[in-house]
Amino acid sequence: GAVVSQHPSWVICKSGTSVKIECRSLDFQATTMFWYRQFPKQSLMLMATSNEGSKATYEQGVEKDKFLINHASLTLSTLTVTSAHPEDSSFYICSASPGESLGYTFGSGTRLTVV
Amino acid sequence: AQSVTQLDSHVSVSEGTPVLLRCNYSSSYSPSLFWYVQHPNKGLQLLLKYTSAATLVKGINGFEAEFKKSETSFHLTKPSAHMSDAAEYFCVVSVFTGRIALNFGSGSRLQVQP
Repeated sequence: GAVVSQHPSWVICKSGTSVKIECRSLDFQATTMFWYRQFPKQSLMLMATSNEGSKATYEQGVEKDKFLINHASLTLSTLTVTSAHPEDSSFYICSASPGESLGYTFGSGTRLTVV
Repeated sequence: AQSVTQLDSHVSVSEGTPVLLRCNYSSSYSPSLFWYVQHPNKGLQLLLKYTSAATLVKGINGFEAEFKKSETSFHLTKPSAHMSDAAEYFCVVSVFTGRIALNFGSGSRLQVQP
């Protein structure tokens, strides 16, 4: 149980285009989902907390207009990297929890390469 | 405020020998503590969690961790390493203070030598 599905796993896009990453909770409802960014050989950096039916909460230093988050249903949150540039290339991971005491389940991650 | 310190950035062990990955935390609240494993280009998989129940927590793949409040530690151990254990391990502290706050350690890379 508590599966989080993330798509796509890999994406290569041209500079200036936008990319959408989906995060789905498959067997539980998630009013809150988390989006992380991970640079090579580093830990995860929380970008934003996605809240179903309301605006996302962004961490300091994360551009909300650059990283658009939509949490339109209890099982789906999307992260759109707008006008992507090579410096946006990274590994993006989403997470959700079926309940605080049950821990957090992470998606398999999305490797974004902007060329 | 809360923070997590993983004391071992790189650990190399021989197959069949014990594994110890150290984690110390600080928190102003009663924390929940987790260990996750990440294989290359993969998401994170939960190994085990502590949520104020038994202080010795057993997880998957033979891993276990002991919560020691007096030492503010939550070290991860395994009696006998397997080649498939080679990965990155993250210690995570979770605190609810009106909003959920997850704090990740910097990670410990485990290498297992044949």
